[in-house]
Amino acid sequence: AQSVSQHNHHVILSEAASLELGCNYSYGGTVNLFWYVQYPGQHLQLLLKYFSGDPLVKGIKGFEAEFIKSKFSFNLRKPSVQWSDTAEYFCAVVDYGGSQGNLIFGKGTKLSVKP
Amino acid sequence: DADVTQTPRNRITKTGKRIMLECSQTKGHDRMYWYRQDPGLGLRLIYYSFDVKDINKGEISDGYSVSRQAQAKFSLSLESAIPNQTALYFCATSELSDRASGTQYFGPGTRLTVL
Repeated sequence: AQSVSQHNHHVILSEAASLELGCNYSYGGTVNLFWYVQYPGQHLQLLLKYFSGDPLVKGIKGFEAEFIKSKFSFNLRKPSVQWSDTAEYFCAVVDYGGSQGNLIFGKGTKLSVKP
Repeated sequence: DADVTQTPRNRITKTGKRIMLECSQTKGHDRMYWYRQDPGLGLRLIYYSFDVKDINKGEISDGYSVSRQAQAKFSLSLESAIPNQTALYFCATSELSDRASGTQYFGPGTRLTVL
């Protein structure tokens, strides 16, 4: 079955620093990929998604992610973070196997941005 | 009004008690899901339903049961709560798709504590 790895458990940055959060999925073929964000005390919200086409996907709040098929990766980036980006970020992939197309989530990366 | 609502938002209960968590949605989506979130473990799928007559076990269904009373309502029950079921529980919905579950929309969560 598909699985998702997020390399960093907790990332601490200062405001204006650049951000890159790693995400790898376990096997190739056709994939749908997502990044969700959970602000403190809130529910998960979709940040961006990739289904097909341009591998560089732009999302809300200045975030973008690049799908690199050869590396099974879908890393999230932002050129300059703000204090308000403090949140937990989850990468997810659609599993076409046993879960009938359900989302498989990574364990999350907590981002803390210092003002 | 929120598209996906959950009740209660917080619940403290004792070991052995029966607990029901409820989820309602106004998005008109066919698919509904229950997840639990634990620190460092991300979101894990408990049960999912593709329509009123279709209920499926997820990754961690033991100790839980569900009921899909209508397209808009999906309840999660803990028949006899135990302390390791202490977690944040999320309900989610998505549109029926011929390829995958696609984007999921999450409720605000229920924080459950089992003493």
